[in-house]
Amino acid sequence: GQQVMQIPQYQHVQEGEDFTTYCNSSTTLSNIQWYKQRPGGHPVFLIQLVKSGEVKKQKRLTFQFGEAKKNSSLHITATQTTDVGTYFCAEPLWGTDKLIFGTGTRLQVFP
Amino acid sequence: NAGVTQTPKFQVLKTGQSMTLQCAQDMNHEYMSWYRQDPGMGLRLIHYSVGAGITDQGEVPNGYNVSRSTTEDFPLRLLSAAPSQTSVYFCASTTGGNTEAFFGQGTRLTVV
Repeated sequence: GQQVMQIPQYQHVQEGEDFTTYCNSSTTLSNIQWYKQRPGGHPVFLIQLVKSGEVKKQKRLTFQFGEAKKNSSLHITATQTTDVGTYFCAEPLWGTDKLIFGTGTRLQVFP
Repeated sequence: NAGVTQTPKFQVLKTGQSMTLQCAQDMNHEYMSWYRQDPGMGLRLIHYSVGAGITDQGEVPNGYNVSRSTTEDFPLRLLSAAPSQTSVYFCASTTGGNTEAFFGQGTRLTVV
């Protein structure tokens, strides 16, 4: 079945270092979404990418959708302690509106 | 707007007991979903609804029942709880068409 692979599973960085998480799908996607979940919290929507090769920025966060629409990445420049949490990508199950989540990347930032 | 409201926030059940996790949204969203979150497994879709009276299974539906009698409410029923159902459960709603999902605060369930 359709699978969403996300790497790495964990990442520990020093404050000020950059961070990247990658999401790979087994199918070509219509769109991909990214969510952030703070420790003890619930997932919160960050962004949706729709177009092949699309790049979107939100302050220090850069989101990219692959040319073949089968992978995506989230890059954080100069991490801060407020970036701590788990980042998930999510994609629609092929042919449906059901949202399937990746396994997530847990980011820990040391001051 | 309250958004998506889940109750209870915490629950401890004994094996074999039944219970209903409540989920309500006040955004008039047609699409609602239930997910469970386990360490290292991400969020896995349990059941899904595209509107009142319409439900469908997700990735891990066994042991759970749902119904959707109104647009606002989407309860999740555990008929006979098992330790394997110990997890954090999230309800989410969207307008559909692969749009942004709004999540409730979650219910932390422990089955002993």
